[in-house]
Amino acid sequence: LAKTTQPISMDSYEGQEVNITCSHNNIATNDYITWYQQFPSQGPRFIIQGYKTKVTNEVASLFIPADRKSSTLSLPRVSLSDTAVYYCLVEPPGGGATNKLIFGTGTLLAVQP
Amino acid sequence: DSGVTQTPKHLITATGQRVTLRCSPRSGDLSVYWYQQSLDQGLQFLIQYYNGEERAKGNILERFSAQQFPDLHSELNLSSLELGDSALYFCASSVVGLSTDTQYFGPGTRLTVL
Repeated sequence: LAKTTQPISMDSYEGQEVNITCSHNNIATNDYITWYQQFPSQGPRFIIQGYKTKVTNEVASLFIPADRKSSTLSLPRVSLSDTAVYYCLVEPPGGGATNKLIFGTGTLLAVQP
Repeated sequence: DSGVTQTPKHLITATGQRVTLRCSPRSGDLSVYWYQQSLDQGLQFLIQYYNGEERAKGNILERFSAQQFPDLHSELNLSSLELGDSALYFCASSVVGLSTDTQYFGPGTRLTVL
């Protein structure tokens, strides 16, 4: 059973705000939500992480509703260089046997001029 | 530049052969992760080391093995290579190895098995 579900792809235009939603219905109490970005033939790059409500950094915002069963990555005013695959991960913070990052299929965001 | 280095960048070899991929983590990071990314399987976690000890295992084949050395660099050994092992292999590192740690990924090694 997949831990997260995201749209396979999204299209946008330069200058628009893009919201990518991730569903994680079975999120556990101590799970954190993390988003990574990956450009073709490059390793993923951390974007943002949160536990509840809203988190904002210089790159993006992450909105998490009270029930935490979904989260939305918001990219303000995208540019062509934001074209990439975006992965949503849900993981507990602890180590041991559960300490594995599971990357789903991700969302391919295509930004057009 | 994430600070994680991987060598070689590209590797072309034949079926049945054995190769070694090398990873140097960011300065100060104690944990190293290996991932495989192929077109049909996506990004798959293979194995994690923390300060020289194996911490977590993913879908790593028995033909594959890894280790982390005292200087914290890591090597991934792939043996009896098959065509299906052709993929991008990424190494990542993090400070202590918690799931909530930010993982910093290297540029990857592209392995082609002919």
